Amino acid sequence: TQLLEQSPQFLSIQEGENLTVYCNSSSVFSSLQWYRQEPGEGPVLLVTVVTGGEVKKLKRLTFQFGDARKDSSLHITAAQPGDTGLYLCAGAGGSARQLTFGSGTQLTVLP
Amino acid sequence: EAQVTQNPRYLITVTGKKLTVTCSQNMNHEYMSWYRQDPGLGLRQIYYSMNVEVTDKGDVPEGYKVSRKEKRNFPLILESPSPNQTSLYFCASSLHRPTPGQGVTYEQYFGPGTRLTVT
Repeated sequence: TQLLEQSPQFLSIQEGENLTVYCNSSSVFSSLQWYRQEPGEGPVLLVTVVTGGEVKKLKRLTFQFGDARKDSSLHITAAQPGDTGLYLCAGAGGSARQLTFGSGTQLTVLP
Repeated sequence: EAQVTQNPRYLITVTGKKLTVTCSQNMNHEYMSWYRQDPGLGLRQIYYSMNVEVTDKGDVPEGYKVSRKEKRNFPLILESPSPNQTSLYFCASSLHRPTPGQGVTYEQYFGPGTRLTVT
């Protein structure tokens, strides 16, 4: 079973600050996805990265896939209270039929 | 509206009483999956289905059954629930997105979740 470790597990910051969440593994993934989950709801896909070294931007969110496709990061610039939620990374193996999820980072942005 | 629906949203039951959690999607997705979410453990896959009549075990299949008789439905069955199956359950369906040179990626759409308590 492939494992994904996310850090930090919890993060509480003030509005306007920047932050980075990390997703690490010893396994190689064919693609990696980031989801955000709000209380009482299912996770919602934010982005998929598939190429080693790939960088994708979604407004104030920047996602990077490691060169070796074993790790990824999510950087949020000028965080806002609306960014509050549980951020999950998920890696797909060679066949991409199964996703392995990290344990998540609970982000709280205080106004 | 494109969506994944689950029923019931909340369920409290007793040990050994068979139950079924339904899942339905209206996006004509071939791939469907069930996960359970527990504090500190993230989402763990129970079963998945690549298409009608094709199902495979995920990481934590023990104590669960699934069936895929129709493309849109993927029910999760607990024949004899036990307290360690108390959890938050999510159904998901996926769009197959061929990526040149990278195979296929599965971008999942999740249902709203079913909170199950087994006493």
